[in-house]
Amino acid sequence: SQKIEQNSEALNIQEGKTATLTCNYTNYSPAYLQWYRQDPGRGPVFLLLIRENEKEKRKERLKVTFDTTLKQSLFHITASQPADSATYLCAPRQKVTFGIGTKLQVIP
Amino acid sequence: SQTIHQWPATLVQPVGSPLSLECTVEGTSNPNLYWYRQAAGRGLQLLFYSVGIGQISSEVPQNLSASRPQDRQFILSSKKLLLSDSGFYLCAFLAGGLASTDTQYFGPGTRLTVL
Repeated sequence: SQKIEQNSEALNIQEGKTATLTCNYTNYSPAYLQWYRQDPGRGPVFLLLIRENEKEKRKERLKVTFDTTLKQSLFHITASQPADSATYLCAPRQKVTFGIGTKLQVIP
Repeated sequence: SQTIHQWPATLVQPVGSPLSLECTVEGTSNPNLYWYRQAAGRGLQLLFYSVGIGQISSEVPQNLSASRPQDRQFILSSKKLLLSDSGFYLCAFLAGGLASTDTQYFGPGTRLTVL
């Protein structure tokens, strides 16, 4: 069955370092992947979308890559800040069940 | 600009009582509308989606139902709540249609506790 997985449920990182989150998919070839941020008690907020023919997409301190050979998308936050602490979700398209996501904690 | 509203923000209901959660969208017409549930410590689970008035697709069989009486109104209902219905309910819309790569925009959510 089609599956989207994020490699860890929690990630702790020191402030100023680059956080890297992974999204893997199996039995599936999504045309694009979307990344969202969710804060506790709030709905997800869209961050970035990357298409299968794009290798990389950037937005300020955020960078997303899409490797269709590895069936993987990486989400990077450079110069991480405590305000970046949140749960990050990846989703292949609009009509799916999101995974648990990765809870990022940036430690001052 | 496009906005999405949900109410109530929080709700505490006894087991066996009915439920009605409402979602409305502004600034767009004929959006695709979605209801998700997020149980504590779990991912977002798609419950229903609608591509138009009166058109509802159910993703997960359960004691919940959805209706779309107007273009920009989506309602989630239950006749008798179960304990397992507790969770965070999110409404979302998509402006560009299922074939589009447009993003889903989520509402603020309703925290439902069934006692």
